[in-house]
Amino acid sequence: RKEVEQDPGPFNVPEGATVAFNCTYSNSASQSFFWYRQDCRKEPKLLMSVYSSGNEDGRFTAQLNRASQYISLLIRDSKLSDSATYLCVVNPINRLTFGQGTILTVHP
Amino acid sequence: GAVVSQHPSRVICKSGTSVKIECRSLDFQATTMFWYRQFPKKSLMLMATSNEGSKATYEQGVEKDKFLINHASLTLSTLTVTSAHPEDSSFYICSAKRGASTNEKLFFGSGTQLSVL
Repeated sequence: RKEVEQDPGPFNVPEGATVAFNCTYSNSASQSFFWYRQDCRKEPKLLMSVYSSGNEDGRFTAQLNRASQYISLLIRDSKLSDSATYLCVVNPINRLTFGQGTILTVHP
Repeated sequence: GAVVSQHPSRVICKSGTSVKIECRSLDFQATTMFWYRQFPKKSLMLMATSNEGSKATYEQGVEKDKFLINHASLTLSTLTVTSAHPEDSSFYICSAKRGASTNEKLFFGSGTQLSVL
């Protein structure tokens, strides 16, 4: 089983849509969780950390379910500029592990 | 914010040559740096963890004699791909962590696209 698994997509959604990504992780000792965004052939950029109580940043909401070992990212009111690959990142003791990424394309 | 500079951004070399990639933290001391490799349409794969002043810790399947990592100072880590072959062609990205906390944010370099002919 992969340490971090994501649905690779692609997700193709119209502007204004709401889209959700899920990610599961295998190491129950994982301590911190993140969502990164990566544009084609660019470095990943931190989108948001994921906290146990769930957290929101504008149109983006992240949630963590430790019992089921999954995290999610919800994007509301999608913009064209949201088109990118979204990487789920888990930190099982000082060693960030990336999921394979979910490709999102937002179209007019 | 913190900045990590990675150089060069693109390298094209002949098979059998060695290529050195530099990763510098510009405004903070990075006790730990990470090196990743990314193949097209794949995720980042951690190659090794580099701690200043000590030997790098390599992930399973990564040849330490093939990918030499040196972290001689708190602001510089280098990755040398020795005797490069076409299968080493990939996107290499470094990242640096400012503190020791597991929740400390990572700062990424802009990546190096290596093409071995």
